[in-house]
Amino acid sequence: DAGITQSPRHKVTETGTPVTLRCHQTENHRYMYWYRQDPGHGLRLIHYSYGVKDTDKGEVSDGYSVSRSKTEDFLLTLESATSSQTSVYFCAISAGRGAGDTEAFFGQGTRLTVV
Amino acid sequence: QKEVEQNSGPLSVPEGAIASLNCTYSDRGSQSFFWYRQYSGKSPELIMFIYSNGDKEDGRFTAQLNKASQYVSLLIRDSQPSDSATYLCAVGRGNQFYFGTGTSLTVIP
Repeated sequence: DAGITQSPRHKVTETGTPVTLRCHQTENHRYMYWYRQDPGHGLRLIHYSYGVKDTDKGEVSDGYSVSRSKTEDFLLTLESATSSQTSVYFCAISAGRGAGDTEAFFGQGTRLTVV
Repeated sequence: QKEVEQNSGPLSVPEGAIASLNCTYSDRGSQSFFWYRQYSGKSPELIMFIYSNGDKEDGRFTAQLNKASQYVSLLIRDSQPSDSATYLCAVGRGNQFYFGTGTSLTVIP
């Protein structure tokens, strides 16, 4: 299994509070991604990173920010959590020149509930 | 138009039968194609990837790609109850992946 660890695995938080999810990899892969998965919507890209300090927005980036200060860590922050951000969040990593060349491997997921 | 379209199912097949899962994609610039399996409450797990037109076989699984028709399929031969899961089709383009919403497969013993 690819070495990807997400933390926490489960979290309940209150509306309006900031929340940070962590993704840690031991594969030294260049690309890292944050997705959310909701019924009827599948996996939607929030943000991704193509190197240290290099990030870009995905399809559903509003209300989220990311940081990557080290190759192995990619943080997702919900600046002020809302109930619409209740979801399962997956981190993924990919090696090689880009997504067109190699596959993505997923972490175990974080189930976030905003009450 | 969605990037990747899949029939959500559910698809039910008897044990030992062939399960056929289909996927279409909208962007002809898509470069790589993947099938993931996701058990309930778990993360997606890569089953197959295919880059070129034609068939690619791996054990009981065969991926088929037709770029002219923008169509990808996954065949599962000798289906087992343990194959019951949601199957996600994904395409890669540039440095991003685009996922379908998945097809739920149930293999009936």
